[in-house]
Amino acid sequence: ETGVTQTPRHLVMGMTNKKSLKCEQHLGHNAMYWYKQSAKKPLELMFVYSLEERVENNSVPSRFSPECPNSSHLFLHLHTLQPEDSALYLCASSRGRQTNYGYTFGSGTRLTVV
Amino acid sequence: AQSVTQLGSHVSVSEGALVLLRCNYSSSVPPYLFWYVQYPNQGLQLLLKYTTGATLVKGINGFEAEFKKSETSFHLTKPSAHMSDAAEYFCAVRRTQGGSEKLVFGKGMKLTVNP
Repeated sequence: ETGVTQTPRHLVMGMTNKKSLKCEQHLGHNAMYWYKQSAKKPLELMFVYSLEERVENNSVPSRFSPECPNSSHLFLHLHTLQPEDSALYLCASSRGRQTNYGYTFGSGTRLTVV
Repeated sequence: AQSVTQLGSHVSVSEGALVLLRCNYSSSVPPYLFWYVQYPNQGLQLLLKYTTGATLVKGINGFEAEFKKSETSFHLTKPSAHMSDAAEYFCAVRRTQGGSEKLVFGKGMKLTVNP
């Protein structure tokens, strides 16, 4: 248990489905991140939230929609995905935007789009 | 912008042998450097970090890394590999931009430990 919990652990969805990934942390952190990890590619930072405000969106397609209702929860809403969106989606949190403590990661959601 | 390079994608060692995973960085400001480990079907776990102070940093599971400014390196080592060390290892650096910070990761190195 790392302190960052992601659900579900595995998700299979069709291209016309709508689903959501959930991330929860009770570490007192106030910055949260979504990363995409695809096979043979570097980790891709998708979104950054600081104090519940989106501060970074790295050219992510609109079929991915993040939501941060409070500092403990982060969602990634998915709709009309493509097979190339299949990947491990990792959530992370940190103490503010400072990096000196590093990030704490969840175990990820393995997404398969069929 | 700050970045890290991990050359190669796979390292194989025998159990009990030295583990050496290389990381070189590029940074115009004093770097913060990190090593993370990812076990199969898990997220990333912090192994160790260098921010300031002592250049030899000790982490969990017997790993250590040395910050060498002259070589722009932060290589990860462990004297004797265990089977349980088989995982993927990521080097990361702090990137500063417009007053904000974030971690930027290398592409990772898969470590295989042979019996």
